[in-house]
Amino acid sequence: SAVISQKPSRDICQRGTSLTIQCQVDSQVTMMFWYRQQPGQSLTLIATANQGSEATYESGFVIDKFPISRPNLTFSTLTVSNMSPEDSSIYLCSVVAKLSYEQYFGPGTRLTVT
Amino acid sequence: GEDVEQSLFLSVREGDSSVINCTYTDSSSTYLYWYKQEPGAGLQLLTYIFSNMDMKQDQRLTVLLNKKDKHLSLRIADTQTGDSAIYFCAESGTSGTYKYIFGTGTRLKVLA
Repeated sequence: SAVISQKPSRDICQRGTSLTIQCQVDSQVTMMFWYRQQPGQSLTLIATANQGSEATYESGFVIDKFPISRPNLTFSTLTVSNMSPEDSSIYLCSVVAKLSYEQYFGPGTRLTVT
Repeated sequence: GEDVEQSLFLSVREGDSSVINCTYTDSSSTYLYWYKQEPGAGLQLLTYIFSNMDMKQDQRLTVLLNKKDKHLSLRIADTQTGDSAIYFCAESGTSGTYKYIFGTGTRLKVLA
């Protein structure tokens, strides 16, 4: 299995500011993803974090709004830029373990934008 | 497009069995998954089933897959209060990628 930590676990931010969320995993993984879970809703994939290159974004998500970095195999960041109340969500990092190919999720970052 | 649907709520008494249902649209999915999300926590992988299987049992959990009807269910035997959580089904999407498509989640409440 893979143990994933995310920082911060929660934050309250003002409209127009940006927040960077960190994701760290304790073992070798092949793929890393970022998901969003809006209040009372399911998970939506934002992007695939690619090591050393630009992330691959899903329809409806753009790099200017959600810049993502993955400098090495076990660490990634997601920035939520120029936030609005509609960005209030839980943001989850997930990884695919190298040996088992199972997908594991981090505990999430609960973001509230006022 | 691809869609995964679940009923929103389920309430059962402690000791009874719970059955959580899910329907999906993408017949090419290779794997189907069940995840559990407890309050304030991330998602925990409970079990998964390969698309060429009809049933998988893992201790108190039984997964049934009806590929013809694109219907997946999770049965929890002897449900306990610790089973109270939101349960998400997910499909692996086209080409068996890791870009999972999640259902809306079913909130299971276990009454003591």
